[in-house]
Amino acid sequence: GENVEQHPSTLSVQEGDSAVIKCTYSDSASNYFPWYKQELGKRPQLIIDIRSNVGEKKDQRIAVTLNKTAKHFSLHITETQPEDSAVYFCAASIFGWDGLTFGKGTHLIIQP
Amino acid sequence: DVKVTQSSRYLVKRTGEKVFLECVQDMDHENMFWYRQDPGLGLRLIYFSYDVKMKEKGDIPEGYSVSREKKERFSLILESASTNQTSMYLCASSPPDLSYRHYEQYFGPGTRLTVT
Repeated sequence: GENVEQHPSTLSVQEGDSAVIKCTYSDSASNYFPWYKQELGKRPQLIIDIRSNVGEKKDQRIAVTLNKTAKHFSLHITETQPEDSAVYFCAASIFGWDGLTFGKGTHLIIQP
Repeated sequence: DVKVTQSSRYLVKRTGEKVFLECVQDMDHENMFWYRQDPGLGLRLIYFSYDVKMKEKGDIPEGYSVSREKKERFSLILESASTNQTSMYLCASSPPDLSYRHYEQYFGPGTRLTVT
């Protein structure tokens, strides 16, 4: 089955700086790669996703890049703000509707 | 606004008990999922269902079963609860539309199950 590795497990950045979280996956059949944000005590929420026919996608301060040949994808957050503090999970799926294999999460801490 | 609800926020059960966790969604979604979330391990897929009475094993189905008798309801069953099933259980649903944006999974608030 699919295996998703996520790094780092904890990331501390100064407010206003950029943050990058990286994931690798094992199954070359995977085609769908979402990122979820989970604030303390709350449920995970989708923040951005990308399909295998696209190399990069941006939504305001967040972007995701995908390298299908190398089987890795990354989340980029620019101009970080206190409200970006949360745990971020990457995930992979073959079809999108068949359930997600998640990475173990990155705890992003924004230092004032 | 999509709403996914779970029957309990907190549950305490004894080893060997049969445990039912219920999940209901109100958006007519075809796909429903059960995950467990443990510190340092992320979310792991237990079972999913893409239609009424259909079910597929996820990555960690051992010790669990599921039931989907109605489209809006997906139940997770622990046949004989064990202490290693102490965890946060999250239900999710997603629509079936094959258009790109509609793979988003909407999560419920979670049930924190403790097995003693």
